Amino acid sequence: GAGVSQSPSNKVTEKGKDVELRCDPISGHTALYWYRQSLGQGLEFLIYFQGNSAPDKSGLPSDRFSAERTGGSVSTLTIQRTQQEDSAVYLCASSPQGGASGENTQYFGPGTRLTVL
Amino acid sequence: AQTVTQSQPEMSVQEAETVTLSCTYDTSESDYYLFWYKQPPSRQMILVIRQEAYKQQNATENRFSVNFQKAAKSFSLKISDSQLGDAAMYFCAWEGGSEKLVFGKGTKLTVNP
Repeated sequence: GAGVSQSPSNKVTEKGKDVELRCDPISGHTALYWYRQSLGQGLEFLIYFQGNSAPDKSGLPSDRFSAERTGGSVSTLTIQRTQQEDSAVYLCASSPQGGASGENTQYFGPGTRLTVL
Repeated sequence: AQTVTQSQPEMSVQEAETVTLSCTYDTSESDYYLFWYKQPPSRQMILVIRQEAYKQQNATENRFSVNFQKAAKSFSLKISDSQLGDAAMYFCAWEGGSEKLVFGKGTKLTVNP
């Protein structure tokens, strides 16, 4: 079946502009995650959605970052007033249930490479 | 906070040989999961193998196997009969009850023909 998809594949923007990154999880997966991969920081957790529960936003680095998940499926990560340090690969993952007690293996999309000039 | 350490930034192996990638982690939790992911230049993170901490038996997936030492908090990946397609970044990851994956910095594996 189809895997996790992300769009755009690459995004170049100017400092101060807003960007939206999209993630389509695997159909039927209730849990969705966003991670950031940068040279300096490695792979960092950003935010986690599980079903209809309030998202875990503990990894968002600043209030310029926000995410939503509509209808329990597609998710959008929004970065406002982008800064050069936001340049990174943004990875989305989904899992069937989430949580250590369930089927929790996370399946990743190909990522969006964001470059802020 | 949980940490995952991969002490080998780069490794190389000859085609058809065996290589072992190291991973150690620090946690006070007793129930957790450990993963190895492979990331080729395409950026796609691909699950290689998964280990539940409560299982004593080491996980295996074809040419890939792990050596899980819970007391030592060690989780190494062995790749047997290495192939050119195994060349990639390999990330060790930990997950406990918070559902967040904690990743190591990665090991770049080169396979020489």
